[in-house]
Amino acid sequence: DGGITQSPKYLFRKEGQNVTLSCEQNLNHDAMYWYRQDPGQGLRLIYYSQIVNDFQKGDIAEGYSVSREKKESFPLTVTSAQKNPTAFYLCASSILLSGANVLTFGAGSRLTVL
Amino acid sequence: DAKTTQPNSMESNEEEPVHLPCNHSTISGTDYIHWYRQLPSQGPEYVIHGLTSNVNNRMASLAIAEDRKSSTLILHRATLRDAAVYYCILRDVYADKLIFGTGTRLQVFP
Repeated sequence: DGGITQSPKYLFRKEGQNVTLSCEQNLNHDAMYWYRQDPGQGLRLIYYSQIVNDFQKGDIAEGYSVSREKKESFPLTVTSAQKNPTAFYLCASSILLSGANVLTFGAGSRLTVL
Repeated sequence: DAKTTQPNSMESNEEEPVHLPCNHSTISGTDYIHWYRQLPSQGPEYVIHGLTSNVNNRMASLAIAEDRKSSTLILHRATLRDAAVYYCILRDVYADKLIFGTGTRLQVFP
């Protein structure tokens, strides 16, 4: 079955460490996205990529970095510059359906900074 | 991006219909109305979307007001598995991103 795989599901990090969250999709979708969700809140867009080797900042890109070297992969690095990184991170990809882009999400990665 | 307004929470009993409202008074002619839902500790999943006409799929129905300034997601018979946060989102056909609000938390009671 096609889908989006995020890993790891749970991750603990010490302050000052960088950490990379993996996102892989086998849906052949062109666009991919990273969102952050804090408890009781909606999703906020971190970065997105419409095509390989190109990406744009979302609303809360500071302290994060991404790469898009392959169509299937869109890893997110949470750097030590991110002041409050503890959150639930969601990766998504999208396809055009009936004139509108529809997102498919992964199961998420929960990052806790100790 | 045009904004949407949803109630923070709603309740329903199992096997009853549920009507989840969404107001979007500043919608533009090229904005699609999307609905996603998020079950606890999971990523959101696509429910339905529409532009002007009412839409039906296996999960739900979307009723869009004639002036497009509001819409309603209809779950015909709520089940316990429908308990989730439901997000109503507008997305311009030319936009390259989807912006989520805080949604409506639906509780379903047996």
